[in-house]
Amino acid sequence: QVHLVESGGGVVQPGRSLRLSCAASEFSFSSYGMHWVRQAPGKGLEWVSVIWYDGSYKYYADSVKGRFTISRDNAKNTLYLQMNSLRAEDTAVYYCAASGYWGQGTLVTVSS
Amino acid sequence: QSALTQPASVSGSPGQSITISCTGTSSDVGGYNFVSWYQQHPGKAPKLMIYEVSNRPSGVSIRFSGTKSGNTASLTISGLQAEDEADYYCSSYTSNAGVFGTGTRVTVL
Repeated sequence: QVHLVESGGGVVQPGRSLRLSCAASEFSFSSYGMHWVRQAPGKGLEWVSVIWYDGSYKYYADSVKGRFTISRDNAKNTLYLQMNSLRAEDTAVYYCAASGYWGQGTLVTVSS
Repeated sequence: QSALTQPASVSGSPGQSITISCTGTSSDVGGYNFVSWYQQHPGKAPKLMIYEVSNRPSGVSIRFSGTKSGNTASLTISGLQAEDEADYYCSSYTSNAGVFGTGTRVTVL
């Protein structure tokens, strides 16, 4: 069974950085593009970023462009999201997803 | 990257059929056959119900079906059951990005 497990969430002050990870197992990780999707408390889903299967292309939502960086390590079956210059509006549960599979999410809270 | 438009809520009685619409533009829903539908129960991760407009993943009930006409996609749930009560989101590919719908709360009366 496919497992995607996010980690790295927590409480962080505005302007600071955080790096999320998503570990994949029982999944041909290196064959699939990977996404980050977030959901603010009580709100809908928001697509954040995608990275091609080989890391060759990366795209971002306008709301995070220039602040967030997506990357992957296919040798470790792990996806990352480096989040810099965090804002209160970045507070959300962050999910990694691919090919219909989703992790359980990790909560990021940006607050002073 | 504007969100796709869905009705805020749809309700129906057990056994009835309901349809949720998802309206975008020719740059997303209308331009590609990459529309997906997700079901989300409170506190849970989204679950893929339909992909590429009308395809059901293995294990998803045949009561769920998807269609598309122009810039609007639709999800129909037939034979509504109590367990179908959840939030539903459409999503579409759009020029090197993804976009989700605003979400629809389905209530089983």
